[in-house]
Amino acid sequence: AQSVTQPDIHITVSEGASLELRCNYSYGATPYLFWYVQSPGQGLQLLLKYFSGDTLVQGIKGFEAEFKRSQSSFNLRKPSVHWSDAAEYFCAVGAPGGYNKLIFGAGTRLAVHP
Amino acid sequence: GAVVSQHPSWVICKSGTSVKIECRSLDFQATTMFWYRQFPKQSLMLMATSNEGSKATYEQGVEKDKFLINHASLTLSTLTVTSAHPEDSSFYICSATGTSGSSNTGELFFGEGSRLTVL
Repeated sequence: AQSVTQPDIHITVSEGASLELRCNYSYGATPYLFWYVQSPGQGLQLLLKYFSGDTLVQGIKGFEAEFKRSQSSFNLRKPSVHWSDAAEYFCAVGAPGGYNKLIFGAGTRLAVHP
Repeated sequence: GAVVSQHPSWVICKSGTSVKIECRSLDFQATTMFWYRQFPKQSLMLMATSNEGSKATYEQGVEKDKFLINHASLTLSTLTVTSAHPEDSSFYICSATGTSGSSNTGELFFGEGSRLTVL
C-alpha cells in the first residue's frame, strides 16, 4: 500500500538558516510527489511537485525538493528560512495520472526563531 | 490560480444536530472533489471522492450515512455531518480538480477548511 513518512514531527530553525524536511514514500512504481504548506487554520498550498524528468524541482517561495529513487525520498529544502515560513508542511504521494487521490504524510511543523 | 472556497469556515453545533459544509470552485468546473478530515496536529485523511452527478466513493472506515456528500453541480459539493457528536469535531478540508475553459487543469486546489466543533 502507498504510504508517506515524514520522520520529523517538529523542527525549529533560526531565521536565515538552511532547512531540510524529510519525506520517504512507499509505492510500487514512481509516484507523483508533492509538498504542500499549511498555515494555521488554513487550507493547503502547493509548494512544488515532481512528476518526471529532472529530479531537482523548484517551487514557490524559494523551496526546492530532490527526488531520489534509490532512497525513496523527496526531501524539501530551502537555503535561508524566513520567519514567514513557519507553518505545517505535508509531503504527499499520488498515483501516476494526476494529482487526484493523494496520500499525505503526518506533517512536519516548522518553527522559526528570530 | 484557481480558487476553492469553503463555507462556513467554522461552525459550532449541539450534539445530535446536522451540519452542512459547502465547497465551491469559483473559477473552474470541478469535475472531481475530495473531502479530507484533519485532526489536531495530524495529517489529512481522505474521506471520500465525489464526481459531479454521481455517488461519492467513500474510503474504508468512513460511514457514508454519517457523512453525506452531494456533488450536484460542477461548482458545488456539500458534506453533511448527520447527527453530529463531539467525536466528529474536526477540521474538514475539500479539494477540487477539473477544467477551466477547454483545459483540463489536472491540478488539485484546496479550500480553506471548515472547523466543526460539536458540543
